[in-house]
Amino acid sequence: QKEVEQDPGPLSVPEGAIVSLNCTYSNSAFQYFMWYRQYSRKGPELLMYTYSSGNKEDGRFTAQVDKSSKYISLFIRDSQPSDSATYLCAMSANNFNKFYFGSGTKLNVKP
Amino acid sequence: NAGVTQTPKFQVLKTGQSMTLQCAQDMNHEYMSWYRQDPGMGLRLIHYSVGAGITDQGEVPNGYNVSRSTTEDFPLRLLSAAPSQTSVYFCASSRGELAKNIQYFGAGTRLSVL
Repeated sequence: QKEVEQDPGPLSVPEGAIVSLNCTYSNSAFQYFMWYRQYSRKGPELLMYTYSSGNKEDGRFTAQVDKSSKYISLFIRDSQPSDSATYLCAMSANNFNKFYFGSGTKLNVKP
Repeated sequence: NAGVTQTPKFQVLKTGQSMTLQCAQDMNHEYMSWYRQDPGMGLRLIHYSVGAGITDQGEVPNGYNVSRSTTEDFPLRLLSAAPSQTSVYFCASSRGELAKNIQYFGAGTRLSVL
């Protein structure tokens, strides 16, 4: 069983839609949760970072963590064509440099 | 500010050949990592380093060697390339614990082993 599961998509939505991206995990020791955005043929870039449970909002992006269900989400409001990318969730159990990534969800926002 | 620089961007190898993927960062980050990205598998950690002279294995270390003689550089060596090592390789760096583990990634090296 993979440490982190993520639906690969692709997910296609019209411009302006609310997008929901999700990951589930099996390791209850995970405390640090991140979302990365990766454009085609580029390296991932950090979008959101959350420690433990709860919500975090940054502009059009909201990250949610539910540790009791081992489930994390990223919501994108008023989606734009420039949001078209692959979104990777990542998580870590401690402060060292070991992260476990989901396989990524490919998002396409149509104009 | 160049960030994390990976070279080469593309490489084709024959089975059994060796090569070194270069990674350099100019942010004075202590932590550096190597990942490989394969379709449907996401990013998998190969090796990582928490400082000059200190390295450790990640999830998929077999077939790869690393060393960290300076803070800036973290090369990844393929000793005898195999077709299973065809992948996109990413190097990343982060400041460490106090910086909430924000990792900065290079643009990647696309490797094909024939």
